[in-house]
Amino acid sequence: SQQGEEDPQALSIQEGENATMNCSYKTSINNLQWYRQNSGRGLVHLILIRSNEREKHSGRLRVTLDTSKKSSSLLITASRAADTASYFCATPDNNAGNMLTFGGGTRLMVKP
Amino acid sequence: ETGVTQSPTHLIKTRGQQVTLRCSSQSGHNTVSWYQQALGQGPQFIFQYYREEENGRGNFPPRFSGLQFPNYSSELNVNALELDDSALYLCASSLVGGGSYEQYFGPGTRLTVT
Repeated sequence: SQQGEEDPQALSIQEGENATMNCSYKTSINNLQWYRQNSGRGLVHLILIRSNEREKHSGRLRVTLDTSKKSSSLLITASRAADTASYFCATPDNNAGNMLTFGGGTRLMVKP
Repeated sequence: ETGVTQSPTHLIKTRGQQVTLRCSSQSGHNTVSWYQQALGQGPQFIFQYYREEENGRGNFPPRFSGLQFPNYSSELNVNALELDDSALYLCASSLVGGGSYEQYFGPGTRLTVT
């Protein structure tokens, strides 16, 4: 079963616009991670936010975490065609090493 | 590039056959995890190996098995292949105990079962 669920499942925007993706999860966490996947390839770690953080920035990425609502959002500002990819949130199982539970992903298409 | 490599890139097998997928972890990492990703879905955790011992397992049957070697490379074996085993198989290495939760993924092996 999926711990995290992303919303929307698919998003299509124009280059230069901002893209916002949301993730909800079910159990308590000590951190939440976002990954990116280009078509059919491996995942790349984007950013990690710890449970005691509310917001984190990395370049054009902004991640928020609301542990009371068990939700997170990923904002990509000034999107580029190269940002076209699938984006996944993932939460670690606190009792199983670094096992990650992924959501279903948001498929982002940025049109030039 | 993460430094994690997987082989082969693509593989076609027939139902009932057995398959072995290989993964070479990033240097310095002591843990490897395997994930199955069906088309259009998020990765599903299969199992994890830490210091050559299975350290956690997802909801996969025993015909999915694995090994981790002293050099931290790893294998995923699947017996009695079924059509639903067709997927992208991803391995990810990490350093447990190093204070980082980040996992480094390989490019994956695309398995097609006919």
